[in-house]
Amino acid sequence: KAGVTQTPRYLIKTRGQQVTLSCSPISGHRSVSWYQQTPGQGLQFLFEYFSETQRNKGNFPGRFSGRQFSNSRSEMNVSTLELGDSALYLCASSLGLATDTQYFGPGTRLTVL
Amino acid sequence: DQQVKQNSPSLSVQEGRISILNCDYTNSMFDYFLWYKKYPAEGPTFLISISSIKDKNEDGRFTVFLNKSAKHLSLHIVPSQPGDSAVYFCAAIFQGGSEKLVFGKGTKLTVNP
Repeated sequence: KAGVTQTPRYLIKTRGQQVTLSCSPISGHRSVSWYQQTPGQGLQFLFEYFSETQRNKGNFPGRFSGRQFSNSRSEMNVSTLELGDSALYLCASSLGLATDTQYFGPGTRLTVL
Repeated sequence: DQQVKQNSPSLSVQEGRISILNCDYTNSMFDYFLWYKKYPAEGPTFLISISSIKDKNEDGRFTVFLNKSAKHLSLHIVPSQPGDSAVYFCAAIFQGGSEKLVFGKGTKLTVNP
């Protein structure tokens, strides 16, 4: 079974630009969660989508948004990029229950210059 | 406010010895706890979990202990192997609440040959 894939793996943008990251979950998984990992803050939850609906949301500004498609693939968008948005963005998929194991993708490394 | 705390950013042990990674939490509503391991350039992978109705869960060389009264859990790795060198994240969830994983900042374990 193929794992979680994320594209692109690396991205360099400048302040003020916007970016879209993509995540393809494991086949059959309906939940996709997004996390931001930075050296000082660890993994911070952005949001979770389940069956095309945002089910949970973390404490991030509205510049961070996402969506999920009918095939469970998910995209995350960050508008008006700031230097502090430089981070590793991870997505994780699961079947959907709280205690179901989350399987992480390799992440997208975003650098904002 | 950090609800899940891993106060040791790094830990170094000798091969064959025991590694003990600690995690404290502040939210008494958390009822399910997990440990994830992360190698560089890869996403975190699930290692072991424990429900709040238990105080110990074992899986091969990995054992997680939960002390609810102290709001403390620990991961024991015995014996430690060089391949265990990674960043370990503790995570917690309240199944009856928002059902989103809350991660600690991670502890970097180095196992020396």
